[in-house]
Amino acid sequence: DVKVTQSSRYLVKRTGEKVFLECVQDMDHENMFWYRQDPGLGLRLIYFSYDVKMKEKGDIPEGYSVSREKKERFSLILESASTNQTSMYLCASSLSGGRTYEQYFGPGTRLTVT
Amino acid sequence: AQRVTQPEKLLSVFKGAPVELKCNYSYSGSPELFWYVQYSRQRLQLLLRHISRESIKGFTADLNKGETSFHLKKPFAQEEDSAMYYCALNTGFQKLVFGTGTRLLVSP
Repeated sequence: DVKVTQSSRYLVKRTGEKVFLECVQDMDHENMFWYRQDPGLGLRLIYFSYDVKMKEKGDIPEGYSVSREKKERFSLILESASTNQTSMYLCASSLSGGRTYEQYFGPGTRLTVT
Repeated sequence: AQRVTQPEKLLSVFKGAPVELKCNYSYSGSPELFWYVQYSRQRLQLLLRHISRESIKGFTADLNKGETSFHLKKPFAQEEDSAMYYCALNTGFQKLVFGTGTRLLVSP
């Protein structure tokens, strides 16, 4: 059974703080993704990674960076948190290959920036 | 532009009524489409993909390339179907573009 875990369910940070969101998957998936989920806007891709140390910008990368030093772990970094980054953050992972594989999602981290 | 449109934010039906959640897409290539579902306090999970042509929990979805649609249907809604439903389009290299979601509320 695929398991994707995220380091925190709820996080409250102050404007200007550096924030780290961690995601770990235990199924040896090559691909990992970070999304933010906002009411009325759906899921929007921030960054994704298809291999260790590889990263690609998604649709809304501004204000975020990522790190993937190990295959199982994908970190999302907010260098200087702002109130408009208050959101639910979802991590996902999937296999890589010739067809599109199911993405498995973590439980989400609800981040509030005050 | 690669886009997924779900025109309804909320769909409210009574138990036993038919359900159709609309999804339209914009994509220049051969589309690959999915429905993901998020039940209350649960993770987002795959419901079905068009390529499988399967029925999951009584739901089906047919890809209509002429109308660029991938509507999700169920003939008789159940209360446990209440959830948030997202239509998603593969834009290449395992990347998905999601719609804005439709909340389905099934009342007894």
